[in-house]
This record gives sequence, C-alpha cells and structure tokens, in this order.
Amino acid sequence: GAVVSQHPSRVICKSGTSVKIECRSLDFQATTMFWYRQFPKKSLMLMATSNEGSKATYEQGVEKDKFLINHASLTLSTLTVTSAHPEDSSFYICSGAGGNTGELFFGEGSRLTVL
Amino acid sequence: GENVEQHPSTLSVQEGDSAVIKCTYSDSASNYFPWYKQELGKRPQLIIDIRSNVGEKKDQRIAVTLNKTAKHFSLHITETQPEDSAVYFCAVGGVGTYKYIFGTGTRLKVLA
Repeated sequence: GAVVSQHPSRVICKSGTSVKIECRSLDFQATTMFWYRQFPKKSLMLMATSNEGSKATYEQGVEKDKFLINHASLTLSTLTVTSAHPEDSSFYICSGAGGNTGELFFGEGSRLTVL
Repeated sequence: GENVEQHPSTLSVQEGDSAVIKCTYSDSASNYFPWYKQELGKRPQLIIDIRSNVGEKKDQRIAVTLNKTAKHFSLHITETQPEDSAVYFCAVGGVGTYKYIFGTGTRLKVLA
C-alpha cells in the first residue's frame, strides 16, 4: 500500500518555542492531508484538513494561529506548533488521501513533549 | 455535525473466541464506514470498510455489518489470536471525502 512518512517521531521542546512536524506521501500524490491529535488512550481528533496550494480548513476549537499548516506540494504537508506550551504535549498524526485505492493512509505519528 | 459512539471501550476475550465492537452514528448522509487497528505506538491501519449500499462484508476472520436504518455498524473478529490485541477505531464519513469522524476506540485484549 501507499506510504505516508512523518518526522520527527519524537520531539521534546521548551515552552515558548515552535516545533515543525513534516508529513510526506512517499509513493503517491496526496492532494489532501489531514492532521489529528491523539491524547493517551483516546481517539483521533481531527484538527484540520490541508489541501495542496490552499489554506487549511480548521475544525472548530482548533486555533489556526497556534497550529500552522502548510501544504506546499502534493507530497508534503507541515504542522508547526507555535509558542508551544505543556498543554500542547500530545501525539500528532497525519494522513494522506489518494493513491490507487482511495484509501486514507496514516503517518507514524509524532509525540510532542513540551517542558 | 456527525457524532460517533463506540462500545465497549475495553474488551478482553480468550484466544479462539469472537469479539464484537459496535459503533453508532448520527448523520444519515454518511455512507462510508472504515475500521482501523492501531497497535501500541504505531499508526492506524485500515482493516476493513463498508459502504452504505452493502449490509455486510467479510474478509477472512474479520467482518463488518451495517444497519443503515438504525445507524449502527459492528466489527466482528472470529477465532481471535493474541496478535489481534490492539486498539480498534471505527470511523464515519463520506465516500471519497476522507474526512472521517472517529469513534473513541476499543482496546481489545486477547488472552492466550
């Protein structure tokens, strides 16, 4: 199946700094990518929908200035957590839509810890 | 908007027994219902899906049933094995939209 790669898998940062997470579709063009947040033992909460070449669409309650999403190419979307605080610590997962099957493919996830 | 509920939150079964996980949804316009398996620290992976024009779909030990009228669908795993232990998420969306609302997850433990 198609592969979505996410980097970094783990990141620790100080409060107030910004962190960028990359999501790449390796063998297909993902016209749409999604970003989720997953709390421990909880479900995947959709944060935003990212379309190549246009502004991301954010879900209700998600601060767009806090979570900057860029989808500059058909194979790369980035999520930047700006001025991170401890409450931003979480597991962030991306997914890409596309490929031959129309299936949604998930990245490995990135665990962010803000000290 | 769509609301998805999933039960049970945890499920323990003896190896070889069957496991059933149920999800209900609220939006009758939803027409695509995938199930994902997520092992600890790994990415969710699609294990089976069903569209609204089908009532049941089976793939070896895994099956999904859909009741559109009642707006619920279920995952059935037969002859469970220890490697089936994971968290299972149902999702609800529209065919081709990829924008899914996920259930709260079920932690399945298969006891050897």
